[in-house]
Amino acid sequence: EAQVTQNPRYLITVTGKKLTVTCSQNMNHEYMSWYRQDPGLGLRQIYYSMNVEVTDKGDVPEGYKVSRKEKRNFPLILESPSPNQTSLYFCASSSAGRGNQPQHFGDGTRLSIL
Amino acid sequence: AQSVTQLDSHVSVSEGTPVLLRCNYSSSYSPSLFWYVQHPNKGLQLLLKYTSAATLVKGINGFEAEFKKSETSFHLTKPSAHMSDAAEYFCVVSDQRDSSYKLIFGSGTRLLVRP
Repeated sequence: EAQVTQNPRYLITVTGKKLTVTCSQNMNHEYMSWYRQDPGLGLRQIYYSMNVEVTDKGDVPEGYKVSRKEKRNFPLILESPSPNQTSLYFCASSSAGRGNQPQHFGDGTRLSIL
Repeated sequence: AQSVTQLDSHVSVSEGTPVLLRCNYSSSYSPSLFWYVQHPNKGLQLLLKYTSAATLVKGINGFEAEFKKSETSFHLTKPSAHMSDAAEYFCVVSDQRDSSYKLIFGSGTRLLVRP
């Protein structure tokens, strides 16, 4: 089954404790992206990757890191989490194209940072 | 820069009546436009997309949207609402840049369906 898998689905942690949210897709997609969803703001892009070893900032990259060492994986790293990063996070992937390919989304990771 | 505006944060309809979710966009060229649906505790699912072919786009679950360039609109409609349509809906425009692109999401419209 074609899918985007995020782990963990839920996480409660404390300020300053490094964490990683994993994302993996099994569709051989080139494009992967991370979003955060906050009430009334829709989804905002954090980082995206056009292919292996190619990443770029989205609209709200501060406080986040990503890497794309393999095509299927695109982890999101919070080196020193802060309470304003409490949010619902989505990973998505799509095939390469000129922006006209639909995104496939994971089920989300709800992060609470105390 | 591209942008997208969903004109209603909440829409409430009765089951069996038509649905209209409004979306306006700004774009400096021919955009790709999408509607996604999000059910509670789930990721987003594609409903339909417009990519410069037919202006009336049919999607899943009886939804359709019409691209109107003169009005810069891409409103989502369904003739008859079902209880299972209750969810949040996002209009999305693709921002093309040189060799890459990014998606810009509207703030969402929550659809409530009354029995």
